Amino acid sequence: SAVISQKPSRDICQRGTSLTIQCQVDSQVTMMFWYRQQPGQSLTLIATANQGSEATYESGFVIDKFPISRPNLTFSTLTVSNMSPEDSSIYLCSGGQAQETQYFGPGTRLLVL
Amino acid sequence: QKEVEQNSGPLSVPEGAIASLNCTYSDRVSQSFFWYRQYSGKSPELIMSIYSNGDKEDGRFTAQLNKASQYVSLLIRDSQPSDSATYLCAALSGYALNFGKGTSLLVTP
Repeated sequence: SAVISQKPSRDICQRGTSLTIQCQVDSQVTMMFWYRQQPGQSLTLIATANQGSEATYESGFVIDKFPISRPNLTFSTLTVSNMSPEDSSIYLCSGGQAQETQYFGPGTRLLVL
Repeated sequence: QKEVEQNSGPLSVPEGAIASLNCTYSDRVSQSFFWYRQYSGKSPELIMSIYSNGDKEDGRFTAQLNKASQYVSLLIRDSQPSDSATYLCAALSGYALNFGKGTSLLVTP
């Protein structure tokens, strides 16, 4: 299994600002993903973080709004840009050696005022 | 659209009983299915995976898969109050996991 940590664990941000969330895995993993979980909802995949190349975004999510970096096999960042209250959510990083074995980080709880 | 459907519940069962959680999926291409448990305020935790038709048992948990009916279920035997959580069903479509909205389970002492 993989142990995943995220920073920050929570934040309160002002409209129009940006927040970068960090995801650290305790071992090298092939796959890393970023999800959003809005209140009372399930997880929605934002993008697959690809090591050394541009992330692969799901329908409805764009790079300008959610730029992602993955400089190596243990670390990734997600930036939520030009935030609005609708971006208030829990952002979760997951990782694993394959799509089938994903382990989740503790999440970042974001509130945008 | 690839969808995973779950009854949101809450499903309430007495301690010691069997809890039955159900899930249907729309993408016939999906071959791998997963059950995650999510406690309130916590991140999802993988508890079971199933890839073949039939039953798969792990301790008090049994996952059941019927690909013809596009149906996945999770049985929890001898339910404990500590099992109270939201259970998320997920189907692997291509490289991405599609999650259902989850079923809230409450095990009463």
